[in-house]
Amino acid sequence: GIQVEQSPPDLILQEGANSTLRCNFSDSVNNLQWFHQNPWGQLINLFYIPSGTKQNGRLSATTVATERYSLLYISSSQTTDSGVYFCAVERGKSTFGDGTTLTVKP
Amino acid sequence: DAMVIQNPRYQVTQFGKPVTLSCSQTLNHNVMYWYQQKSSQAPKLLFHYYDKDFNNEADTPDNFQSRRPNTSFCFLDIRSPGLGDAAMYLCATSRDVVFEQFFGPGTRLTVL
Repeated sequence: GIQVEQSPPDLILQEGANSTLRCNFSDSVNNLQWFHQNPWGQLINLFYIPSGTKQNGRLSATTVATERYSLLYISSSQTTDSGVYFCAVERGKSTFGDGTTLTVKP
Repeated sequence: DAMVIQNPRYQVTQFGKPVTLSCSQTLNHNVMYWYQQKSSQAPKLLFHYYDKDFNNEADTPDNFQSRRPNTSFCFLDIRSPGLGDAAMYLCATSRDVVFEQFFGPGTRLTVL
C-alpha cells in the first residue's frame, strides 16, 4: 500500500515563530487532507488539497502532486496551535501519516 | 449545523464483553468510515460503507464488525474486546471516497 511520511515528528516553537510541516507520499493519490488533532482527540479539518495552494488565515498548504509531497505552513504560531498535525491521503483506501507533534511555548 | 455525532464519548467494557459504538451524521453523506487510533499512533482505517456496500480492510480483525441500517447511522461492534482493543474509535463521513472526510469527536474505549 501507499506510504505516507511526515516530518519532522516533533517540533517545538516559541510563540510567534513560523513553521513548515511536510508530508511525502509514495504514489499518486486521489486526495490529500491536513488535520489538527485537538487535546480531546477530535480531528479538525484544515485543508482538503489534492493539488495546488490554499490559505486560511495564518495557515496555508501546498500540494505538488507530481512530486508527491505536501507542505503545511503555520505563521505567527500561537499556543493554541499545539497538538498533532496529520496528513491523510486516499488511493483506494484512506491512509494517515504518523503525524507531527507541535508544541508552541509562550 | 451539519455534523458527525458519536455516542458515547467514553465507554468502559470488560474483557470479552461485547460492546457497540454508535455514529450518526446529518450531512447525508454516502460514505461512513470507522478508524481505530491507539495512543500516540495514527488513525487506522478498519472499514467503510459506501451506501450499503461494506468494504472491510484486509488486516481488520474478525472481532470487529459494522452495521449501517440507514444513511444516517453506522455502528461498530466489537464482539469480544481484548485489552489490545483499548483505543479511540473515530467515525468519519464523506460525500464520496475521493472527497473530503469529516470526523466525529470519537469514542474512547477502555477495556478492563
